[in-house]
Amino acid sequence: GAGVSQSPSNKVTEKGKDVELRCDPISGHTALYWYRQSLGQGLEFLIYFQGNSAPDKSGLPSDRFSAERTGGSVSTLTIQRTQQEDSAVYLCASSLGPGQGETQYFGPGTRLLVL
Amino acid sequence: EDQVTQSPEALRLQEGESSSLNCSYTVSGLRGLFWYRQDPGKGPEFLFTLYSAGEEKEKERLKATLTKKESFLHITAPKPEDSATYLCAVQDVYNFNKFYFGSGTKLNVKP
Repeated sequence: GAGVSQSPSNKVTEKGKDVELRCDPISGHTALYWYRQSLGQGLEFLIYFQGNSAPDKSGLPSDRFSAERTGGSVSTLTIQRTQQEDSAVYLCASSLGPGQGETQYFGPGTRLLVL
Repeated sequence: EDQVTQSPEALRLQEGESSSLNCSYTVSGLRGLFWYRQDPGKGPEFLFTLYSAGEEKEKERLKATLTKKESFLHITAPKPEDSATYLCAVQDVYNFNKFYFGSGTKLNVKP
């Protein structure tokens, strides 16, 4: 079946611009996660959705970062007024949900470069 | 503080030369430990989940084992196509949505 998809695969933007990153989880997966991966670093947790709710936003690094999920499916991560330090790979993962199957399946990521 | 440490950071092997990767963790309570493989420019690909000390899982040339403090990913007679970065992650038993990832071991298998 179809896996997690993300778009765009690459994004180059200028400092100060806003960007939107999209994630389509595996059908039927209620849990959705956003992570950030910088070169040579581990995955940094950003936000967790269960359905359309975000019970854990503790990883969002600043108020420039926000995310939403609609219809229990697609999620969008928005970064406002991008900074050079925002350059990284943004990964989305989904799972069946708590108690149903918590193994996360990842998308291919969006590579963001802020000039 | 919950923490995951992977070693070595990088490993170079000759084809057929078996070795092991280590994932050490400190977490208040472990619900599961996950191994992933990540190829350059791609997202992590799920390999194994381990839940309790003593558990082992195998897939082709890979075998994952778990103790109360660490996990090993054993690679038997590796091939060049096994070259990738291997990530481990631990899931907090007290907060199912919390996953702590290590920085990975970059494996390079030379023909």
